Amino acid sequence: ETGVTQTPRHLVMGMTNKKSLKCEQHLGHNAMYWYKQSAKKPLELMFVYNFKEQTENNSVPSRFSPECPNSSHLFLHLHTLQPEDSALYLCASSQAGSGSDIQYFGAGTRLSVL
Amino acid sequence: RKEVEQDPGPFNVPEGATVAFNCTYSNSASQSFFWYRQDCRKEPKLLMSVYSSGNEDGRFTAQLNRASQYISLLIRDSKLSDSATYLCVVNKNTGFQKLVFGTGTRLLVSP
Repeated sequence: ETGVTQTPRHLVMGMTNKKSLKCEQHLGHNAMYWYKQSAKKPLELMFVYNFKEQTENNSVPSRFSPECPNSSHLFLHLHTLQPEDSALYLCASSQAGSGSDIQYFGAGTRLSVL
Repeated sequence: RKEVEQDPGPFNVPEGATVAFNCTYSNSASQSFFWYRQDCRKEPKLLMSVYSSGNEDGRFTAQLNRASQYISLLIRDSKLSDSATYLCVVNKNTGFQKLVFGTGTRLLVSP
């Protein structure tokens, strides 16, 4: 079983749809992250949760709404997206405060907005 | 200026070659540095952390130069399986783990 699992792996949605991305980590970590990776661009940090509390919102539009019900699960709720939101959305987790900054990534959800 | 800058490449090298990538970062307060590897349409995976004294893992050697604010990755005896994008990553050390990623350097190893 992989450490960080994301579902779905692929998603196609219209601009008026509402969908959610799910991330689950099996590593016992206390911090989880959402990143966006667009073509030819570096990974962009979207949200950070430490101990279920959101500690970073990197100027992300409100059409992206994160939810972290517990330290193992992270959701990204999507609504009224734009075509430019099409990208690979990656979830990561780490053990904050452990002295190690290493983040472990899920396989990502490839999102296409039509 | 970008926070983390890398030459996007691609670097085309034959099998067995030695190749080096450099990366520069702008925040002098950065404390932690990493190289991640990302295969096409896959997630990034940690290749190695970069320590001040430099570190080696098999065919891979990472170096950090704080004075010049650059990080390097050396790959010796390149394999076909080394073909990937190599991401330079810096922790901004703002009190929690905020990693900043470079755009990556693409490596293509040919037979």
